[in-house]
Amino acid sequence: AQKVTQAQTEISVVEKEDVTLDCVYETRDTTYYLFWYKQPPSGELVFLIRRNSFDEQNEISGRYSWNFQKSTSSFNFTITASQVVDSAVYFCALSGTQGGSEKLVFGKGTKLTVNP
Amino acid sequence: NAGVMQNPRHLVRRRGQEARLRCSPMKGHSHVYWYRQLPEEGLKFMVYLQKENIIDESGMPKERFSAEFPKEGPSILRIQQVVRGDSAAYFCASSHFGQGIGGTEAFFGQGTRLTVV
Repeated sequence: AQKVTQAQTEISVVEKEDVTLDCVYETRDTTYYLFWYKQPPSGELVFLIRRNSFDEQNEISGRYSWNFQKSTSSFNFTITASQVVDSAVYFCALSGTQGGSEKLVFGKGTKLTVNP
Repeated sequence: NAGVMQNPRHLVRRRGQEARLRCSPMKGHSHVYWYRQLPEEGLKFMVYLQKENIIDESGMPKERFSAEFPKEGPSILRIQQVVRGDSAAYFCASSHFGQGIGGTEAFFGQGTRLTVV
């Protein structure tokens, strides 16, 4: 079965601090995709990144960076120099091909609060 | 992701009524997914449809819930005889080739928040 664990339920930081959100996944698929989504207080889901299992290169996009380590089944997300606007719930998700389905399996989310 | 349109944004129903949630995918997308988010929870997959076909409904409750994606028009998630436990945010996502192998990221709508009173 596929599973995504986000062990940190809530994190609170002060503006300009760096913060890392952890994501650990389980899957029997050899080929799969990992995602991060942001859900701000307004409630919509904002796509942040999609990474396939064959690409272990770390990725940086502005203040955001992602560390994919297949050996530890982790796909962690770091925000550098956090800002108040980063306050949101962040979801890690996994998509595989078990049974031919293309559904996303989500973690329970990490609520990040950035205080001024 | 603003291209996936869900309506209504908020829906209030009394216990026993029917709820109809609509999702218009992004232009050119033929794959639609419905997810449910209970309070303080992550999203849970409900159903995956392509035009006129249900591909995977493994996450749908066995009773009262149904979904369709007709050849023309939006996808509809229908909940009959709603109960308080159905109160949740329901998200629709669409993609071009699907979210899996060879697929692209799925774009989510803004969700419909259903409240059953």
